[in-house]
Amino acid sequence: DGGITQSPKYLFRKEGQNVTLSCEQNLNHDAMYWYRQDPGQGLRLIYYSQIVNDFQKGDIAEGYSVSREKKESFPLTVTSAQKNPTAFYLCASSIRMTGSYGYTFGSGTRLTVV
Amino acid sequence: AQKITQTQPGMFVQEKEAVTLDCTYDTSDPSYGLFWYKQPSSGEMIFLIYQGSYDQQNATEGRYSLNFQKARKSANLVISASQLGDSAMYFCAMRDSTNYGGATNKLIFGTGTLLAVQP
Repeated sequence: DGGITQSPKYLFRKEGQNVTLSCEQNLNHDAMYWYRQDPGQGLRLIYYSQIVNDFQKGDIAEGYSVSREKKESFPLTVTSAQKNPTAFYLCASSIRMTGSYGYTFGSGTRLTVV
Repeated sequence: AQKITQTQPGMFVQEKEAVTLDCTYDTSDPSYGLFWYKQPSSGEMIFLIYQGSYDQQNATEGRYSLNFQKARKSANLVISASQLGDSAMYFCAMRDSTNYGGATNKLIFGTGTLLAVQP
């Protein structure tokens, strides 16, 4: 079955440490996205990529980095520059078109700073 | 700037009754798309329903319908015959129509409404 796989489901980070969240899709979607969700809040866009080897900053990109070397993969690195990284991170993908095409989401990674 | 507003942080509904979740939006673009997603406590986001700005009829998907009032810029979700499994967070979202040389298909989300269905 096609879908998006995020790993790990839970991740713990020490102060000053970089961590990478994995996002893999087998839907042949062109576009991929990373969102952050804090308790009681909506989703905020971190980075997005419309095609391989290209990505743009979203609304809250500071302290994060991404790469898009393969169509299937869009890993997110949370760097030590991100001062408040504890949150729920959701990866999504979509066909790169307008219309009724929404997102397919992964099941999320919950990151906690210890 | 485009914006989605959900003014109901939480709502209760009795099982088998209908409930309306409010969503208003702000955009100056004549072409846009509106989405509703459900997020259970497990965290995954489940697509429920879509409404295009040029669609003549309100969207419906099973027990879900979208009350689209374009002049008021509202896109309320109506859930008929609520079930215990409907208890979840519900998000309204709008496609960002900004064109950077190609459709971006970014979604802008509201803050969500937590729905609790009581037996």
